Amino acid sequence: DQQVKQNSPSLSVQEGRISILNCDYTNSMFDYFLWYKKYPAEGPTFLISISSIKDKNEDGRFTVFLNKSAKHLSLHIVPSQPGDSAVYFCAASAFQGAQKLVFGQGTRLTINP
Amino acid sequence: GAGVSQSPSNKVTEKGKDVELRCDPISGHTALYWYRQSLGQGLEFLIYFQGNSAPDKSGLPSDRFSAERTGGSVSTLTIQRTQQEDSAVYLCASSLGPKETQYFGPGTRLLVL
Repeated sequence: DQQVKQNSPSLSVQEGRISILNCDYTNSMFDYFLWYKKYPAEGPTFLISISSIKDKNEDGRFTVFLNKSAKHLSLHIVPSQPGDSAVYFCAASAFQGAQKLVFGQGTRLTINP
Repeated sequence: GAGVSQSPSNKVTEKGKDVELRCDPISGHTALYWYRQSLGQGLEFLIYFQGNSAPDKSGLPSDRFSAERTGGSVSTLTIQRTQQEDSAVYLCASSLGPKETQYFGPGTRLLVL
């Protein structure tokens, strides 16, 4: 039972354009959501998070949007840069913080020059 | 400062053998997590240590898996009588507190032949 789903295994975007990565969840108990970025042979690195009491959180080029009624969140990267090419994981927690995270399968983002 | 480190980086073993994977968390971090990532899948929670509390073992897939954390610092994940389906990347993460951002190590890639 996949509680967190990233339905796009890969995404290709031109440099300078907006990258939009999507994530859906099924467990209504989730109240905290995160995005991690992973380069090959490295562990995931934290990007941005959002609590369920908010619908948007922004940090520089990264913005996360949360639609609780649709159980959907998205990560927007603008403008996209070549260094953004990586695998992006969506994660969720039911503990009002980053605890016992449930991860999606990941989306491989490629930024083309 | 030093991040989370894991050893070995790669481990090849024969089916039926026992393996030990080591994690050195960031100094001062009270919470430590083990996850695993099977091929094409997201990260799967295994076990969580917080301070001196009893560990949350709810994610361990079978009784062949165990983990300990000595002195509130280094952790060892042990897999007994390894099976081919145990082949995965095993990732350790630590955080300053129970709901704080998790910082991941580079992982140990385990291959069971």
